[in-house]
Amino acid sequence: GESVGLHLPTLSVQEGDNSIINCAYSNSASDYFIWYKQESGKGPQFIIDIRSNMDKRQGQRVTVLLNKTVKHLSLQIAATQPGDSAVYFCAEPGITSYGKLTFGQGTILTVHP
Amino acid sequence: EPEVTQTPSHQVTQMGQEVILHCVPISNHLYFYWYRQILGQKVEFLVSFYNNEISEKSEIFDDQFSVERPDGSNFTLKIRSTKLEDSAMYFCASSDPGIGFAEAFFGQGTRLTVV
Repeated sequence: GESVGLHLPTLSVQEGDNSIINCAYSNSASDYFIWYKQESGKGPQFIIDIRSNMDKRQGQRVTVLLNKTVKHLSLQIAATQPGDSAVYFCAEPGITSYGKLTFGQGTILTVHP
Repeated sequence: EPEVTQTPSHQVTQMGQEVILHCVPISNHLYFYWYRQILGQKVEFLVSFYNNEISEKSEIFDDQFSVERPDGSNFTLKIRSTKLEDSAMYFCASSDPGIGFAEAFFGQGTRLTVV
């Protein structure tokens, strides 16, 4: 069925390090994935998305990699800053309804100065 | 920058009472959503709304829940008879089909506590 999940619930890094957050999905028909950032006390905020016809997409300090063979995607944050501390979710739209997002469990990223 | 606004930020209610959560989506958006997040868990889809009707709802969105767009700017979620397990953060979101359904913009959330 439609589902996304995360390998690690928490990740602690030092400021300036690169961070990698992973996500697995189960539906091989999934064709669109989104990463959201949720800061404490706030709603999820769109970071970056990727379609299945791509295996890599870059944004500002963030890169998403998609490996369709093993149904895995990752979010890489370069030069992590304390302001990057948040919960990161991967999500995918529903197959029957593009507006229905299914979120993964979330990874808590803590950046130490 | 346009944003989704939710009120109140925190609502405490007694079990069995009705609550209405309020949202003002981004003005030119056409798709509206409610999600909830139980403490420490993932964000869960409740309902999507387009063209003045529900376009999809989840299993969570049972007969106790309803949504309404009473005027051109507000989008409300009503829970008729709250249960303890309804305690959660409730997020409203909206999207512009010109950008893509999935790039939904979320509000800050309303924390609902049922006692």
